[in-house]
Amino acid sequence: AQTVTQSQPEMSVQEAETVTLSCTYDTSESDYYLFWYKQPPSRQMILVIRQEAYKQQNATENRFSVNFQKAAKSFSLKISDSQLGDAAMYFCAYRSLTSGTYKYIFGTGTRLKVLA
Amino acid sequence: KAGVTQTPRYLIKTRGQQVTLSCSPISGHRSVSWYQQTPGQGLQFLFEYFSETQRNKGNFPGRFSGRQFSNSRSEMNVSTLELGDSALYLCASSLEGLDLDTQYFGPGTRLTVL
Repeated sequence: AQTVTQSQPEMSVQEAETVTLSCTYDTSESDYYLFWYKQPPSRQMILVIRQEAYKQQNATENRFSVNFQKAAKSFSLKISDSQLGDAAMYFCAYRSLTSGTYKYIFGTGTRLKVLA
Repeated sequence: KAGVTQTPRYLIKTRGQQVTLSCSPISGHRSVSWYQQTPGQGLQFLFEYFSETQRNKGNFPGRFSGRQFSNSRSEMNVSTLELGDSALYLCASSLEGLDLDTQYFGPGTRLTVL
């Protein structure tokens, strides 16, 4: 069974600085997708960035980028030029592509605090 | 386009009761997934419905069930509530639920079991 681990329950970053959130996963599958979701306080969860496992190039979305290390089963999220609005719970998620099972598996989350 | 809506937003029940939660997906979305979110366990997948059929199921007891209607609206039912069922229940919709379909989440229903 696949698992997703976020070992940092909480992180803090100074406004305008860079922070990296860690995520590791375990799977025997070769093809899958990985995602980072953001859940602001009392607000809805939204997709931040996604990565196809077959792509070697790391995904980038504006200030958000990932470091995808397939062999190490690591998928970290880097947030550059942190803003107060980045404060949220961040969830790493794995999506199986095994035929008929498109389930998402989420990590337990990392709470990011942004200090002014 | 209206987002994913969930009703009710808050619910308080007592042990042994049953509860039904509702989710209306984004118009045109046919896949609806349900998740249980708790502080200790994070988000755990309950089940996914597509075109009125349960396509995927997580590892939850049979007390948790769901269904989807022809308009893609979905309901989740929990029978014989236990204290441990207290959680935020999230639903997410997507077009087909396949590949890189983006899941759009609703605001959740916070269930408290006393």
